[in-house]
Amino acid sequence: DGGITQSPKYLFRKEGQNVTLSCEQNLNHDAMYWYRQDPGQGLRLIYYSQIVNDFQKGDIAEGYSVSREKKESFPLTVTSAQKNPTAFYLCASSLISNEQFFGPGTRLTVL
Amino acid sequence: GNSVTQMEGPVTLSEEAFLTINCTYTATGYPSLFWYVQYPGEGLQLLLKATKADDKGSNKGFEATYRKETTSFHLEKGSVQVSDSAVYFCALSDHLNTNAGKSTFGDGTTLTVKP
Repeated sequence: DGGITQSPKYLFRKEGQNVTLSCEQNLNHDAMYWYRQDPGQGLRLIYYSQIVNDFQKGDIAEGYSVSREKKESFPLTVTSAQKNPTAFYLCASSLISNEQFFGPGTRLTVL
Repeated sequence: GNSVTQMEGPVTLSEEAFLTINCTYTATGYPSLFWYVQYPGEGLQLLLKATKADDKGSNKGFEATYRKETTSFHLEKGSVQVSDSAVYFCALSDHLNTNAGKSTFGDGTTLTVKP
């Protein structure tokens, strides 16, 4: 089955810790994206990548970092510099300029 | 830049009522238009899409027509069910290199259908 997976489903972080959220796709898509969603809010773009070894900042990149070493994988690290990281994080992939396929999301909570 | 404006919610309907969720857009190119649906605690799923003017996208009883003259892509369903309760997002993706294939999303409209 082709699809996009995210792990873990729930993640808890202590103050001052970095955490990494996993995103993997087997759809052979070139583009991958990370979004943040706060309760009752829309989507805000954190980072995106159109091709391996290249990525661009989105609208709210501060306090986050990414890598794109493989076409299938686009992990997101939430660093201690992100002051309010509690949110629902969504990863997506697409062929360029086509519809996006979303993962099931990771809910991050800061303790 | 591109933008998408959706009808503000929340929207509450009785089962079998008619649904319209308005969506208008601003884009510099000739975008593709999408409606996504998000059920509680899940990611977004594509509901329907249209890639050029006058195209009608349809799926599961939902329809939307790409209207270039009014820059709109309103979502409609003739008879909603309780299971349609979800958040609906309108989005566009244009093909200009400057936007790098990114999508622009509306803020989402929460629909609740009561039995």
